[in-house]
Amino acid sequence: DIQMTQSPASLSASLEEIVTITCQASQDIGNWLSWYQQKPGKSPQLLIYGATSLADGVPSRFSGSRSGTQYSLKISRLQVEDIGIYYCLQAYSAPYTFGAGTKLELK
Amino acid sequence: EVQLVESGEGLVQPGSSMKLSCVASGFTFSNYGMNWIRQAPKKGLEWIALIYYDSSSKYYADSVKGRFTISRDNSKNTLYLEMNSLRSEDTAMYYCAKSTVPDYWGQGVMVTVSS
Repeated sequence: DIQMTQSPASLSASLEEIVTITCQASQDIGNWLSWYQQKPGKSPQLLIYGATSLADGVPSRFSGSRSGTQYSLKISRLQVEDIGIYYCLQAYSAPYTFGAGTKLELK
Repeated sequence: EVQLVESGEGLVQPGSSMKLSCVASGFTFSNYGMNWIRQAPKKGLEWIALIYYDSSSKYYADSVKGRFTISRDNSKNTLYLEMNSLRSEDTAMYYCAKSTVPDYWGQGVMVTVSS
């Protein structure tokens, strides 16, 4: 099975700060990487698919990138509504696997 | 507007069975693969099953393989998850999610396995 190593586990950042979360795949998964945001008590929402494509309705301050088997989610200017837990997901091959999550808090 | 509404929430004893449903609307259900994903209390997300649009292929996480069955009825726009031999570690919020690469998610239903 493909392992997804997500870091950091938690992150405290200030408003307007740049935030970066990464996921390392244990093998090549191409661009089959998605990012999700989950707010307390809510279902996860898709932010990025295909490693770099922004999902409908997602603010442009969110972006995704890939370097080999390392994937990154960047929030260019952190806003209050961005607080939550972020997960990566590889959908290259079943069983799909999520990263362990990154809890993003305001400093 | 895409809507996914899960049902079947409840408390069951270890070893028992339970069936979840997910009714879809706002898109052509029969054109899309569908997933079940769960989240244990205060834990991360765990993908558990995928079914192709035409039921031709089904995939499972090792943790549920042989105990859970994913199915669908395209005439009813409904996705199912039949869960047998339930264990305490199956206690979780269960979400259905649209598309082979999950995009839209339902609100989830809570399954509690406890004696």
